Amino acid sequence: GDSVTQMEGPVTLSEEAFLTINCTYTATGYPSLFWYVQYPGEGLQLLLKATKADDKGSNKGFEATYRKETTSFHLEKGSVQVSDSAVYFCALGGRGSTLGRLYFGRGTQLTVWP
Amino acid sequence: KAGVTQTPRYLIKTRGQQVTLSCSPISGHRSVSWYQQTPGQGLQFLFEYFSETQRNKGNFPGRFSGRQFSNSRSEMNVSTLELGDSALYLCASSLNGMNTEAFFGQGTRLTVV
Repeated sequence: GDSVTQMEGPVTLSEEAFLTINCTYTATGYPSLFWYVQYPGEGLQLLLKATKADDKGSNKGFEATYRKETTSFHLEKGSVQVSDSAVYFCALGGRGSTLGRLYFGRGTQLTVWP
Repeated sequence: KAGVTQTPRYLIKTRGQQVTLSCSPISGHRSVSWYQQTPGQGLQFLFEYFSETQRNKGNFPGRFSGRQFSNSRSEMNVSTLELGDSALYLCASSLNGMNTEAFFGQGTRLTVV
């Protein structure tokens, strides 16, 4: 079945460092892919998405490219800020009999120090 | 526009009791899904409703149930609570669940003692 494997943290970086969080998926066809972010005590917020191969999603300086050949959707940011400290989840959108469902990775805790 | 509203935010229940959680989706959204989040298991899918019909269900025991009303508001119920049901329960709404953006509420933190 569909699944997402995500780099587990925690990840600790200094402010202005480069961030990469790896995410790979298993699915047939071309599912939509998402990155969500969860700040302490909050629900999940959609960070970015891509709906087909080679699409690049971007938001707030974060980017991720839908790579069909490597079944990956890695999250990157060129210069992180303290305010980026949160838990990041990679997710895959269900289709057909699993329509309406999101498959999540385990989440990656990011801490950015000033 | 108003976001997804979950009530209550916090709950403390005793083992064996039952609990009902509520979710009001964004206006116009017809798909509501529920997830359980725990440190050990991460985010696990409970069920999804679309136009008052359960369209998908995760691998949870029958103690977990839900429903959706004609105004798209949804409730989930957990009967005969167990300690292991302590978790953050998140509700998400989307227009139709078809790979569109899902918007999450802040969640209900359930503690079973």
